[in-house]
Amino acid sequence: DTAVSQTPKYLVTQMGNDKSIKCEQNLGHDTMYWYKQDSKKFLKIMFSYNNKELIINETVPNRFSPKSPDKAHLNLHINSLELGDSAVYFCASSPWMNEKLFFGSGTQLSVL
Amino acid sequence: SQQGEEDPQALSIQEGENATMNCSYKTSINNLQWYRQNSGRGLVHLILIRSNEREKHSGRLRVTLDTSKKSSSLLITASRAADTASYFCATDGGETSGSRLTFGEGTQLTVNP
Repeated sequence: DTAVSQTPKYLVTQMGNDKSIKCEQNLGHDTMYWYKQDSKKFLKIMFSYNNKELIINETVPNRFSPKSPDKAHLNLHINSLELGDSAVYFCASSPWMNEKLFFGSGTQLSVL
Repeated sequence: SQQGEEDPQALSIQEGENATMNCSYKTSINNLQWYRQNSGRGLVHLILIRSNEREKHSGRLRVTLDTSKKSSSLLITASRAADTASYFCATDGGETSGSRLTFGEGTQLTVNP
């Protein structure tokens, strides 16, 4: 069973479109995250949630909106996609804040 | 600015040799973690060392932490081709970092069979 699963794995879309990435974890963790990895493999935190509450809301454009319907799910919705949004987006979860993160396999977003 | 910086950026060794990667950081930390990322995959947690610890072992991995020098090293002994991956350090600075886990830029390790 996959511990942290995110879908889709690949997302190719046109500029201006709206898209969502879904994430689910079956580890019973309270904390979930979204990270962005650029083409140079630099990983940057975007959001973190603890027990469905937003803890970190990094300075990302407000076109990015996370939603946590329950502790096991953290989805990412992106409006009006731009070329610069192209990257790999990783969902992660952990039993304690910022310790021993379990990552999903990533969503490769390509904006054309 | 980036908290953790890995050194070297790339390392190529032969199977059976040891690999050492270093990580330097700027501010005080609660803990430092090492992660591995295989090509096209998510990161996998390897080891966590707390600020009051100096050394930790896990299988063929050995991590040291020197808080006075603000640096850590990851040693992989008797490397295997399957160890080929990118290795990242990540620091948790607690409230000084705004409760963020900050990743370094990674070391690309290639183990040649």
